[in-house]
Amino acid sequence: RKEVEQDPGPFNVPEGATVAFNCTYSNSASQSFFWYRQDCRKEPKLLMSVYSSGNEDGRFTAQLNRASQYISLLIRDSKLSDSATYLCVVNLNTDKLIFGTGTRLQVFP
Amino acid sequence: DTAVSQTPKYLVTQMGNDKSIKCEQNLGHDTMYWYKQDSKKFLKIMFSYNNKELIINETVPNRFSPKSPDKAHLNLHINSLELGDSAVYFCASRHTKTGRTVTEAFFGQGTRLTVV
Repeated sequence: RKEVEQDPGPFNVPEGATVAFNCTYSNSASQSFFWYRQDCRKEPKLLMSVYSSGNEDGRFTAQLNRASQYISLLIRDSKLSDSATYLCVVNLNTDKLIFGTGTRLQVFP
Repeated sequence: DTAVSQTPKYLVTQMGNDKSIKCEQNLGHDTMYWYKQDSKKFLKIMFSYNNKELIINETVPNRFSPKSPDKAHLNLHINSLELGDSAVYFCASRHTKTGRTVTEAFFGQGTRLTVV
């Protein structure tokens, strides 16, 4: 089983749609969680950290369920510029950052 | 004033050659990483250094040898390059001792290595 699993997609959604991505992780000792965004042929960049109580940043909402070892990202009112690959990232207590395979999002007009 | 910079950005070389990729960060971070992103876009950790000390070495062939001359630099040397080494290599850095609950990693722009 992969340490961090994501549905690779692609998710093709129209502008204005709400889309949700899920991620599961296998190591219950994982301490920190992040969503990164990677555009084609670019480096990954932090989208948002994921806190235990859930957190929101504009149109983006992240949730963490430690009992189920599950992380989610919700994007509301999708924009064309949201088209990218979204990477779920888990930090083990050894300072090891483990990336999921990514979920590709394509927003169309 | 790039935070994490890698050179070169592109590298095309023949099988069997030896090559190096350099990485420098000006963020004052104490931990640096090398990741490999293959054709399937999976980002896999290779090495992690904390304060010049090797912390993580993920079953990488010993043809790959990282070197950290100081906290701000982590270079990757690859001997006897093989076709399967073709990938994008990303350097990253972060703080691991800030007292904050979470610390993000910052990535360099990547080095696209093609072995022919």
